[in-house]
Amino acid sequence: GAGVSQSPSNKVTEKGKDVELRCDPISGHTALYWYRQRLGQGLEFLIYFQGNSAPDKSGLPSDRFSAERTGESVSTLTIQRTQQEDSAVYLCASSLGAGNNQPQHFGDGTRLSIL
Amino acid sequence: AQSVAQPEDQVNVAEGNPLTVKCTYSVSGNPYLFWYVQYPNRGLQFLLKYITGDNLVKGSYGFEAEFNKSQTSFHLKKPSALVSDSALYFCAVRDTGGYQKVTFGTGTKLQVIP
Repeated sequence: GAGVSQSPSNKVTEKGKDVELRCDPISGHTALYWYRQRLGQGLEFLIYFQGNSAPDKSGLPSDRFSAERTGESVSTLTIQRTQQEDSAVYLCASSLGAGNNQPQHFGDGTRLSIL
Repeated sequence: AQSVAQPEDQVNVAEGNPLTVKCTYSVSGNPYLFWYVQYPNRGLQFLLKYITGDNLVKGSYGFEAEFNKSQTSFHLKKPSALVSDSALYFCAVRDTGGYQKVTFGTGTKLQVIP
């Protein structure tokens, strides 16, 4: 079946512009996660959705970052007034439920480069 | 607070030899433990998980991991390494109690030498 799909796969933009990243989770997966992975580093948690609500936003680094999820499906991560330090791969993952024993299924990420 | 440590940034092993990628964890309660693999320019792929029961967990592509509660470790192993196993491996932990975000290790690069 289809996996987690992220778009665009690559995004290059100028400092100060807004960007919107999209994630289509696996159908039926109620839990959705966003992570940031800087070059050569591990995963940095950003936000968790259960259904359309976000019970854990603790990883969003600043108020320039926001995310929403509609219809228990697609999620968008928006970064306003981008800065060079925002350059990274943004990974989305989904899992079947909110249970802590559920593995996460990842998309291939959006590689964001801020000039 | 929960944490994961992967003490080796890189592990080199000859093709055909057994491999081990180390992981230790810390949680306040009982752990759920996971291993993921990441190939270049791809997302993470789930390999295996420990929930409860047998301490030896078998997963995809011939990988297995051994849960050791006394040593708080969950090392990833494979009896015979393939060149195609070369990738970045992440260990992850989640406390079993209530909602807990997943904590990932910093990753270990596995290089299998032909």
